[in-house]
Amino acid sequence: EDQVTQSPEALRLQEGESSSLNCSYTVSGLRGLFWYRQDPGKGPEFLFTLYSAGEEKEKERLKATLTKKESFLHITAPKPEDSATYLCAVRGGSQGNLIFGKGTKLSVKP
Amino acid sequence: DTAVSQTPKYLVTQMGNDKSIKCEQNLGHDTMYWYKQDSKKFLKIMFSYNNKELIINETVPNRFSPKSPDKAHLNLHINSLELGDSAVYFCASSLQENIQYFGAGTRLSVL
Repeated sequence: EDQVTQSPEALRLQEGESSSLNCSYTVSGLRGLFWYRQDPGKGPEFLFTLYSAGEEKEKERLKATLTKKESFLHITAPKPEDSATYLCAVRGGSQGNLIFGKGTKLSVKP
Repeated sequence: DTAVSQTPKYLVTQMGNDKSIKCEQNLGHDTMYWYKQDSKKFLKIMFSYNNKELIINETVPNRFSPKSPDKAHLNLHINSLELGDSAVYFCASSLQENIQYFGAGTRLSVL
């Protein structure tokens, strides 16, 4: 069965304190790994798509990487506005639907 | 000019009622989805639909039914609402299997 596990569930950082979020997955035939950001009361907002091991993508203070078993979302020198829940999802299998993890709630204190 | 819009944003109703949530996308996408996000914030696919095929998550009760009048709309009808249906429902759309774009969600409370 396709599965996505994110850790930690919650992460509290001081402004400027870099860290990483983990997304471990098992899927039959990966057809994309997706990172989304979700703010309270809003829908998920797309950040990155990764398709093959070794691939990396960057956007401002965020960098996503992918291996055959997991993905990391690295946050460099975070700011309070980076506070949100970060969701990881994979697409695989015959139906190709997105399977989401439970998310990591990130809080960045000034 | 919101890309994926859902109405209503909030829906409060009694057990046993029937309700609908509307979704519209103006991105020209060919596939639309409904997701349920429970109290633990876990986002789970309910349906995906394009012109050719409706794919139903087997765990979704048949009280839930998607209705698509055209490619830009996918409404969600729920019959005989139960307490456990309380959640946030998200609509999303994509061009085939590409990036899915989400609406802002509809918070359903069943009393």
